Amino acid sequence: EVHLVESGGGLVQPGGSLKLSCAASGFTFSGSTIHWVRQASGKGLEWVGRIRANTNDYATAYSASVQGRFTISRNDSKNTAYLQMNTVKTEDTAVYYCARLLMVGTTADYWGQGTLVTVSS
Amino acid sequence: DIQMTQSPSSLSASIGDRVIITCRASQAISNYLAWYQQKPGKVPNLLIYTASTLQSGVPSRFSGSGSGTDFILTISSLQPEDAATYYCQNYNSVPRTFGPGTKVEIK
Repeated sequence: EVHLVESGGGLVQPGGSLKLSCAASGFTFSGSTIHWVRQASGKGLEWVGRIRANTNDYATAYSASVQGRFTISRNDSKNTAYLQMNTVKTEDTAVYYCARLLMVGTTADYWGQGTLVTVSS
Repeated sequence: DIQMTQSPSSLSASIGDRVIITCRASQAISNYLAWYQQKPGKVPNLLIYTASTLQSGVPSRFSGSGSGTDFILTISSLQPEDAATYYCQNYNSVPRTFGPGTKVEIK
């Protein structure tokens, strides 16, 4: 059974940093692209970024709203992905999901339950 | 970057009604369009991929169509459990933009 479990959420002050983790099991993590998606309370889904597998040089991509502030990384030996959030803003307040999203040629689509990040002074 | 729009933003329909939600991409995305359903407090659930292929376990009252820039999600006979927000997403490139969502309510 597939599991994606996010952790590390909490309260952080504007301008501060926070690192989220995503522990995966039940699928071939090392060969998978991992995405982060966020959702502010009462709002829609916003794609944050992704990290590809080592076969694609661990390439990362980010949304314009987090480019230069957030960094996605992974440790395949631990089946874990990370989202390093720096210089956070109040508008970064959201539930953050990690996911193995649908890709061209696949039908698998897995999401974690999410972790809440609140940016407030 | 590809932008995704959806209409309507919300709708209210009766049980048994046919419901149609549209999604438009700002540039052609072939058929790399997915539809997700999200119920309050729950994780998004994939309904349809490649614009028209039903994910395993999804009821047959859901269907999708379209290609290029214009796509449609149809619920042929609305059921109480279909009350949710529906999102489209382009998945052939990054950023993996979601549409703004369509909230479906039951009258």
